[in-house]
Amino acid sequence: EAQVTQNPRYLITVTGKKLTVTCSQNMNHEYMSWYRQDPGLGLRQIYYSMNVEVTDKGDVPEGYKVSRKEKRNFPLILESPSPNQTSLYFCASSSLGTGVFEQYFGPGTRLTVT
Amino acid sequence: DQQVKQNSPSLSVQEGRISILNCDYTNSMFDYFLWYKKYPAEGPTFLISISSIKDKNEDGRFTVFLNKSAKHLSLHIVPSQPGDSAVYFCAALRTGGGNKLTFGTGTQLKVEL
Repeated sequence: EAQVTQNPRYLITVTGKKLTVTCSQNMNHEYMSWYRQDPGLGLRQIYYSMNVEVTDKGDVPEGYKVSRKEKRNFPLILESPSPNQTSLYFCASSSLGTGVFEQYFGPGTRLTVT
Repeated sequence: DQQVKQNSPSLSVQEGRISILNCDYTNSMFDYFLWYKKYPAEGPTFLISISSIKDKNEDGRFTVFLNKSAKHLSLHIVPSQPGDSAVYFCAALRTGGGNKLTFGTGTQLKVEL
């Protein structure tokens, strides 16, 4: 089954404690992206990757890091989480160069930073 | 700067009637538009899309209309069903600019019996 998986689904942590949210897709997609969803703001892009070892900032990259060492995985790293990073996070993937632009989303990770 | 706007945070419709969800955009470089549906505790799922070379795209009960001159698109759901109750996000991209999606803020649709 074609899917994007994220782990963990729920996470409560404290300010300053480094954490990683994993994302994996099994569709051989080149493009992967992280979004955060906040009330009244919709989904905003954090970082994206066009292929292995190619990453770039989205609209709200501050406080986040990513890496793309393998095509299927795109982890999101919060080196020193702060309460304003409490949010619902989504990973997404899509193919490139095919004229198909739909992105497939993971189920989301709800992060609370206290 | 909100480049994609959904000005109605919520919409309530009776089962069997038409639901019309609206979306406006400001960036004239956007040339492809998508609608996503999102249920609680799930990720957004793709619903329907339209290229700027068209003004209408239909898929079953779902039709998207695009008015480029007004920078406006709408999603029509006919007939509406209780299972359509969800948050609907409008998204836009510039096809020559990679796959970056710019999302609206979403409209919560409630279809009542």
